[in-house]
Amino acid sequence: EPEVTQTPSHQVTQMGQEVILRCVPISNHLYFYWYRQILGQKVEFLVSFYNNEISEKSEIFDDQFSVERPDGSNFTLKIRSTKLEDSAMYFCASLKEVKANYGYTFGSGTRLTVV
Amino acid sequence: DAKTTQPNSMESNEEEPVHLPCNHSTISGTDYIHWYRQLPSQGPEYVIHGLTSNVNNRMASLAIAEDRKSSTLILHRATLRDAAVYYCILSQFGNEKLTFGTGTRLTIIP
Repeated sequence: EPEVTQTPSHQVTQMGQEVILRCVPISNHLYFYWYRQILGQKVEFLVSFYNNEISEKSEIFDDQFSVERPDGSNFTLKIRSTKLEDSAMYFCASLKEVKANYGYTFGSGTRLTVV
Repeated sequence: DAKTTQPNSMESNEEEPVHLPCNHSTISGTDYIHWYRQLPSQGPEYVIHGLTSNVNNRMASLAIAEDRKSSTLILHRATLRDAAVYYCILSQFGNEKLTFGTGTRLTIIP
């Protein structure tokens, strides 16, 4: 069964450093998402991306965050200057079409630890 | 986003059916009912979704009340691998994002 692949599985970074989280969505999917889950809390929507642009973003997704699909296969989330509160699991998801009979496919996540 | 209400936790014996309830009394006519689950240390996983009619797939069945104010996810024969947090989510057709609640933590007793 096709998978969404995320790398790395775990990233430790110092506060103030930039990080890039990488995702390879399913190849024929058109819609891409980032979610995060702080330890013990709910899964939260960050951003959706379609046709090479952001279609929706949450309040969490401020100027420190950016997304890119640089080469037609990878989908990246960049955090420009990490803060301690950015420590969380980050999940990438993709969707084939926004139609009634499809579900989202999530990756296994990247655990980001900011120290 | 319309809200759903689920029990915080449930337990079930292995190899028995499990019925996970969800209340969504403020559901609108265009809201689809989605179920996802999250196994320990994994990302959410799509289980099933429906609009008005009951739905079956290889993972589960979804029973939707006639007034659509509640639904039940049915796992026909629980295994230890089904231990997870199950989320019931309402999403309008064409609305791309999912709004997760706290879900139901399902424990399977061997």
